[in-house]
Amino acid sequence: QKEVEQDPGPLSVPEGAIVSLNCTYSNSAFQYFMWYRQYSRKGPELLMYTYSSGNKEDGRFTAQVDKSSKYISLFIRDSQPSDSATYLCAMIPLVFGKGTRLSVIA
Amino acid sequence: GAGVSQSPRYKVAKRGQDVALRCDPISGHVSLFWYQQALGQGPEFLTYFQNEAQLDKSGLPSDRFFAERPEGSVSTLKIQRTQQEDSAVYLCASSLASQGGYEQYFGPGTRLTVT
Repeated sequence: QKEVEQDPGPLSVPEGAIVSLNCTYSNSAFQYFMWYRQYSRKGPELLMYTYSSGNKEDGRFTAQVDKSSKYISLFIRDSQPSDSATYLCAMIPLVFGKGTRLSVIA
Repeated sequence: GAGVSQSPRYKVAKRGQDVALRCDPISGHVSLFWYQQALGQGPEFLTYFQNEAQLDKSGLPSDRFFAERPEGSVSTLKIQRTQQEDSAVYLCASSLASQGGYEQYFGPGTRLTVT
């Protein structure tokens, strides 16, 4: 079992939908939790990072961490076609998830 | 200011050739990371520099892989005697922080194809 599990998708949603992306992890030593967005043929771009359990909001994006369940989520409200990308969770010590490919259909 | 740049963007090498991949981090960034990203996978950590010191090279897959950052800015990842399994995108990231590794800024990557 990998330290970080992420469903690779693909996930396809209509424009305006709420998107939920998730990762589970097994290592209790993970401290910081991050979400990156990666467009095709580009490097990953940091969206959000958080340390503690709970929610952190930034515009249409909300990151949620549940350390007791070893589960993190990224919610995207009012999804747009420009949100179509691969979303990677990442944790410190440095481990990335496989990424979930998201398509938002206009 | 400019972001992280990498060169070349694409590299085709014949099996057995040596390659050198360059990373120009954001000016003033202390930390520099190299990753390998296979198709459909997340980035896999290779090595980490803090200034010119290579503090962690635990992710380098074999002794054919070598990285350096002699003056604490530009870094080069060298792969000797390339093999087909080395085909991947090699990503470089830099961070202002001297610890941790969060808030990394990634370059566009170098896509290496070994034929």
